[in-house]
Amino acid sequence: DTEVTQTPKHLVMGMTNKKSLKCEQHMGHRAMYWYKQKAKKPPELMFVYSYEKLSINESVPSRFSPECPNSSLLNLHLHALQPEDSALYLCASSQGPARDTEAFFGQGTRLTVV
Amino acid sequence: EDQVTQSPEALRLQEGESSSLNCSYTVSGLRGLFWYRQDPGKGPEFLFTLYSAGEEKEKERLKATLTKKESFLHITAPKPEDSATYLCAVLLGGSYIPTFGRGTSLIVHP
Repeated sequence: DTEVTQTPKHLVMGMTNKKSLKCEQHMGHRAMYWYKQKAKKPPELMFVYSYEKLSINESVPSRFSPECPNSSLLNLHLHALQPEDSALYLCASSQGPARDTEAFFGQGTRLTVV
Repeated sequence: EDQVTQSPEALRLQEGESSSLNCSYTVSGLRGLFWYRQDPGKGPEFLFTLYSAGEEKEKERLKATLTKKESFLHITAPKPEDSATYLCAVLLGGSYIPTFGRGTSLIVHP
């Protein structure tokens, strides 16, 4: 099973709303990632969790707040977003540090900020 | 300067017209190279992992090869359903986090 599950698939939110994106994997992977992808661009790394600890934050604005409740789950909490934050948000996982293996991606959440 | 460069940016083929996509990297110490396929509005789908120069992997009409400085994704007799963006990602230096190229958008016309 190489599945990474993301919910919801689509989300429309206002600039004053608070919402959360969820990601789950059961492959025993110890690294989990959030990426942001705009149309016709490659995925852009936002956050990396390694062994449930935040190891990389690519200077992401504080209106995006990641959380890793356990080794299988990853959340991205959204608050006071801007229209330019509209994008496809991708979760991925891989075996983690010292393991040179591929990452598997979820199907993404299409976020629209109005 | 991009560490991972994919070419061409876009490619249009007729059904059955074989071609190759390129992924080159400018730094040494490659620890792994990955190919993904991405359909519009979907997450990248993993295709292949390559680790060593000379290594080859195949899946249906796709074949990935690796040299010391680049990788090729060969598409043999493509069909319209092969239309997608193909992304290359590499593990460089001491990082386990892949660095992505900008992708090649492939359109196969019937």
